[in-house]
Amino acid sequence: DIQMTQSPSSLSASIGDRVTITCRASQEIVNYLAWFQQKPGNAPRSLIYAATSKQSGVPSRFRGSKSGAEYTLTITSLQPEDFATYYCQQYKSHPFTFGPGTKVDI
Amino acid sequence: QVQLHESGPGLVKPSGTLSLTCAISGDSITDSFWWTWVRQTPGEGLQWIGEIHRSGTTNYNPSLRSRVTFSLDTSKSHFSLKLTSVTAADTAIYYCARRGHAHCGGDCMSIDSWGQGILVTVSS
Repeated sequence: DIQMTQSPSSLSASIGDRVTITCRASQEIVNYLAWFQQKPGNAPRSLIYAATSKQSGVPSRFRGSKSGAEYTLTITSLQPEDFATYYCQQYKSHPFTFGPGTKVDI
Repeated sequence: QVQLHESGPGLVKPSGTLSLTCAISGDSITDSFWWTWVRQTPGEGLQWIGEIHRSGTTNYNPSLRSRVTFSLDTSKSHFSLKLTSVTAADTAIYYCARRGHAHCGGDCMSIDSWGQGILVTVSS
């Protein structure tokens, strides 16, 4: 199985901050990388697919990028509704696997 | 816009069978999409259970393959999960989801929609 790691596991930030979350895969996944947002008590919400493309309706402050083997989710200006846990997932190779999550709180 | 809704018993006895259904509305079952099950536990995080395509092709997580079966009813617009021989370790929130893209394949084919989830507890 492809192992996904995320860093940091949690972070504290303020409204307006730029937040960066990193995800790495144990094998090459060639941009088959998605990001999800989950708020307590809610289902995950799909944010990013193909490493850099936004799902419909996702605000422009969310940006996915890749540098080498590292995938990054950036929130350019944190808003109150962005406090949540963020997960990456690879869908290059079965079984698809998720990262352990990064909790963003105040 | 597609909507997904899980239903089924919230309590299953150990060694029993967990059966869930996901109702699909707002879209039809096409070749562009895979219909997916994911579960979430506090200890294990998000776990991909597997997926089924309209063609009948399935992909299962090897860790669950011996116990899990998916089915898809295109006429009724729903798909189902059966997990046998359950234990307390199968207690989780189960989500159904849709994976795919209407206009491109390859790396576009990620999960784009989720159901609200259903908590299933395995306990006597």
